[in-house]
Amino acid sequence: DSGVTQTPKHLITATGQRVTLRCSPRSGDLSVYWYQQSLDQGLQFLIQYYNGEERAKGNILERFSAQQFPDLHSELNLSSLELGDSALYFCASSDTSNYGYTFGSGTRLTVV
Amino acid sequence: EDQVTQSPEALRLQEGESSSLNCSYTVSGLRGLFWYRQDPGKGPEFLFTLYSAGEEKEKERLKATLTKKESFLHITAPKPEDSATYLCAVRFPFLQAGTALIFGKGTTLSVSS
Repeated sequence: DSGVTQTPKHLITATGQRVTLRCSPRSGDLSVYWYQQSLDQGLQFLIQYYNGEERAKGNILERFSAQQFPDLHSELNLSSLELGDSALYFCASSDTSNYGYTFGSGTRLTVV
Repeated sequence: EDQVTQSPEALRLQEGESSSLNCSYTVSGLRGLFWYRQDPGKGPEFLFTLYSAGEEKEKERLKATLTKKESFLHITAPKPEDSATYLCAVRFPFLQAGTALIFGKGTTLSVSS
């Protein structure tokens, strides 16, 4: 157990639908990062939150959004889902020193 | 243009056959180079962080080194349990990237007995 908890582990949904992925960071970590991993693209950075505020954006689609709550857990919302959104979605967290980045076990999203 | 490039994409070794994986990056002034191991369907597992040219870190059969433009992950006398995808990531001094890690596409290592 890395200390970063992601739910659900698996999600199967239809095209056009909306889903929410949840992440609880390691205790004490203020930064949360979301990544998408597909076979051909590798790990792609989507978005970072730090202590409730958006800090940086990577290759995140407009159909995707995220937020970090006062208890520091984060949610990634994916809407108008397409077949190409099928991937593993990982959450990672880091402390203020940013010396360590710990990943969760991921959510496997399948869009049918 | 890729900022982090790993080679080779795939590597097959016999047990005990040592080799090296390469990670090159195109931007100067990086703020940390990270190596991770990833098993199929699981999250990346942290191995090493390197910060300055000349730095080396070791863990069991793995040794990571860093120069100004690239890093090597040396695997000495590998065992089948070392089979995994090895990911390199860097933290760049770009404000728009925050403190996020930017990953290469990885090297998939297969070690047969």
